Amino acid sequence: DGGITQSPKYLFRKEGQNVTLSCEQNLNHDAMYWYRQDPGQGLRLIYYSQIVNDFQKGDIAEGYSVSREKKESFPLTVTSAQKNPTAFYLCASSISGRSSYNEQFFGPGTRLTVL
Amino acid sequence: QKEVEQDPGPLSVPEGAIVSLNCTYSNSAFQYFMWYRQYSRKGPELLMYTYSSGNKEDGRFTAQVDKSSKYISLFIRDSQPSDSATYLCAGANAGNNRKLIWGLGTSLAVNP
Repeated sequence: DGGITQSPKYLFRKEGQNVTLSCEQNLNHDAMYWYRQDPGQGLRLIYYSQIVNDFQKGDIAEGYSVSREKKESFPLTVTSAQKNPTAFYLCASSISGRSSYNEQFFGPGTRLTVL
Repeated sequence: QKEVEQDPGPLSVPEGAIVSLNCTYSNSAFQYFMWYRQYSRKGPELLMYTYSSGNKEDGRFTAQVDKSSKYISLFIRDSQPSDSATYLCAGANAGNNRKLIWGLGTSLAVNP
């Protein structure tokens, strides 16, 4: 089955700890995205990558870091510098960031809670 | 002003009703418009995609774009309880980036 997987589904973190969220896709998509979703605020773009070994900051990149060493993987690290990290994190991919349209496919999400 | 405005609802309708979900946008450069459906605690799934103005129909769903008034709509005919979800609209321009700009989502409940 082709799709996007995110792990873990639920994640608990103590304040001051870094944590890494996994995102893997087997759709052979070039572009991948990380969003954060909070109640009443919709989807906000954290980072995106249009090709391997390249990525750009989105609207709320502070306190987050990413890497794109493989086409199928785009892990997100939530660092201790992120002041309010409790949220639902969504990973998405699309065929290409430069294609004629930008149909994004989403993973099931990871709910991060800071204790 | 947000680039994409969407009434968060909640919207509650009886089963079988026609549902109209709407968004307005401010960026004249938008060419691509999408509607996603998101069930509680799940990732969004693409329902409809339209390019520029016009209508697009898929089963019980019709997406409509009016670029002159910067208004996009999603109509659901013969609504079912399984349609109960949050509906997100998004727009994107035709530039190299094609970053999606999202509305906040409208929560819909279809009551049996």
